[in-house]
Amino acid sequence: GENVEQHPSTLSVQEGDSAVIKCTYSDSASNYFPWYKQELGKGPQLIIDIRSNVGEKKDQRIAVTLNKTAKHFSLHITETQPEDSAVYFCAASIWDYGNNRLAFGKGNQVVVIP
Amino acid sequence: DGGITQSPKYLFRKEGQNVTLSCEQNLNHDAMYWYRQDPGQGLRLIYYSQIVNDFQKGDIAEGYSVSREKKESFPLTVTSAQKNPTAFYLCASSMPGVTGELFFGEGSRLTVL
Repeated sequence: GENVEQHPSTLSVQEGDSAVIKCTYSDSASNYFPWYKQELGKGPQLIIDIRSNVGEKKDQRIAVTLNKTAKHFSLHITETQPEDSAVYFCAASIWDYGNNRLAFGKGNQVVVIP
Repeated sequence: DGGITQSPKYLFRKEGQNVTLSCEQNLNHDAMYWYRQDPGQGLRLIYYSQIVNDFQKGDIAEGYSVSREKKESFPLTVTSAQKNPTAFYLCASSMPGVTGELFFGEGSRLTVL
């Protein structure tokens, strides 16, 4: 089955600096790669996603890049702010006996130091 | 407002008891999911349902059961057969077909005493 791994597990950055989180996946058939942000005590929320026919996507301070050959995709957060502190999950799509679902990585704790 | 409502937010139970977690959505989504979250383990899929009266096991279904009698509702029962039930449980929904955004509830934290 699909195996999604995230690195690093914890990332501390100074406010204003950039943060990069990388994920690798194993199933070459995966074609959808979302990133979710989870604040303490809440459910995850989608912040950006990318499909396999695109190499990069940006939304204000957030961008995602995808390298299908190497099977990895990365989340880039520029000009980090304290409210960016959260757990970030990457995921990859799985086609499972006629059903679509997602396989999630274990998450990255991002801490933005004021 | 449209969204997913999970209840209760916190739940305590004694060993050997079954407990049912509620998940209701008014997004008119066909697909619903239950995930379990443990520290350092990410989100692991328990069960999912793409349509009413049908559901499939996820990666860690043992000790859990679900039903999908209505489009809006997807309750999860944690049975006494689940050996380590203390966890944070998340319900989600999405439109079926091409994989797309999951909308999550706020979660239910179950503690077994």
